Amino acid sequence: QVQLQESGPGLVKPSQTLSLTCTVSGGSIGSGTYYWSWIRQPAGKGLEWIGRIYASGSTSYNPSLKSRVTISLDTSKNQFSLRLSSVTAADTAVYSCARGVRGLLGFDPWGQGTLVTVSS
Amino acid sequence: EIVLTQSPGTLSLSPGERATLSCRASHSVSSSYLAWYQQRPGQAPRLLIYGASSRASGIPDRFSGSGSGTDFTLTISSLEPEDFAVYYCQQYSSPLITFGQGTRLEIK
Repeated sequence: QVQLQESGPGLVKPSQTLSLTCTVSGGSIGSGTYYWSWIRQPAGKGLEWIGRIYASGSTSYNPSLKSRVTISLDTSKNQFSLRLSSVTAADTAVYSCARGVRGLLGFDPWGQGTLVTVSS
Repeated sequence: EIVLTQSPGTLSLSPGERATLSCRASHSVSSSYLAWYQQRPGQAPRLLIYGASSRASGIPDRFSGSGSGTDFTLTISSLEPEDFAVYYCQQYSSPLITFGQGTRLEIK
């Protein structure tokens, strides 16, 4: 059973870079069947897709965040990572990682999510 | 960008009743790229339906999805206490994946 777990700092200062890692267990991140996504949810609000990466390393990002986002893959550690630069308070949210299947839409499973607060 | 509008914003029903949740897209969406999620407080979303009408693994058959084009529906045939939660629809139209704003299903 595949499980995902987010990790990283819970507090980031404005203008700095938010960095999170998602560790995948119970399955290989290098499988071409899947892609790996980041999603965020501000407190009390809805879900926003940030971007995704395929095992090949190919990425696609939400156009609204594209200039600030980088998603990368480390197959040796079975992890993928998110970097979001120049953060502001508006980037405060629960950040979650999730797995998707090529050719379909449906994220399953998800990590439990991690709260990142942007504050000085 | 395709905008998904969910209605109603809040739905108040009793256990045992039937729930019908709507998701309307601003432009036509491929049925292959329409999904539904359930989110309980403090938990990550759980995939219920993919491909507009296929139940995800382990999802009870009281959950069903239907629709095509711009109008999609999630139906819960007979509400159980654990079904009271927030429900989101999701779509993909290159290059963007978007979610609806959610429908809160609450106990009447």
